[in-house]
Amino acid sequence: QKEVEQDPGPLSVPEGAIVSLNCTYSNSAFQYFMWYRQYSRKGPELLMYTYSSGNKEDGRFTAQVDKSSKYISLFIRDSQPSDSATYLCAMRGSNTDKLIFGTGTRLQVFP
Amino acid sequence: DAGVTQSPTHLIKTRGQQVTLRCSPKSGHDTVSWYQQALGQGPQFIFQYYEEEERQRGNFPDRFSGHQFPNYSSELNVNALLLGDSALYLCASSLGSYSYTFGSGTRLTVV
Repeated sequence: QKEVEQDPGPLSVPEGAIVSLNCTYSNSAFQYFMWYRQYSRKGPELLMYTYSSGNKEDGRFTAQVDKSSKYISLFIRDSQPSDSATYLCAMRGSNTDKLIFGTGTRLQVFP
Repeated sequence: DAGVTQSPTHLIKTRGQQVTLRCSPKSGHDTVSWYQQALGQGPQFIFQYYEEEERQRGNFPDRFSGHQFPNYSSELNVNALLLGDSALYLCASSLGSYSYTFGSGTRLTVV
């Protein structure tokens, strides 16, 4: 079993839709949770960074962490064609810098 | 302000050869981590360098080695290349453990 599970998609939605992306994990030691966006042929770009449980909002993006369920989510409101990319969740424990990534979910937003 | 710079962008090597990949961290960052991203997968942690020493290592064989220079730039060396080493190699820099910035990667093809 992988430490981090993420549905690879692809997920195809119309412009303006609310997108929900999710990851589950098995290691209860994870404390820091991140979402990265990766465009084709580019490196991952940090979107959201949260510590422990709770919600964090930044513009059209909202990250949620539920440590009791070992479940994290990223919501994208008013999705745009420019949001079309692969979204990677990543996480780590408090005593390590090693990030554990999900496999990524490919998102396509069509006009 | 330049971000993380990696070179070369692409390269093709033959099985059994050796390769060196290079990374210049973002200005102000002192820590460099290397990740391997196979096609359709999330990045996997190779190792991290801080103060010119390997601080942490992932589950990769000794064929993978690295170096960090006094100016914080880093190299990743892979010996005795295998077909399975074909991947996108990503360098991420950070100041401490917060907010890793990734480069665009080096795409290595082993034939």
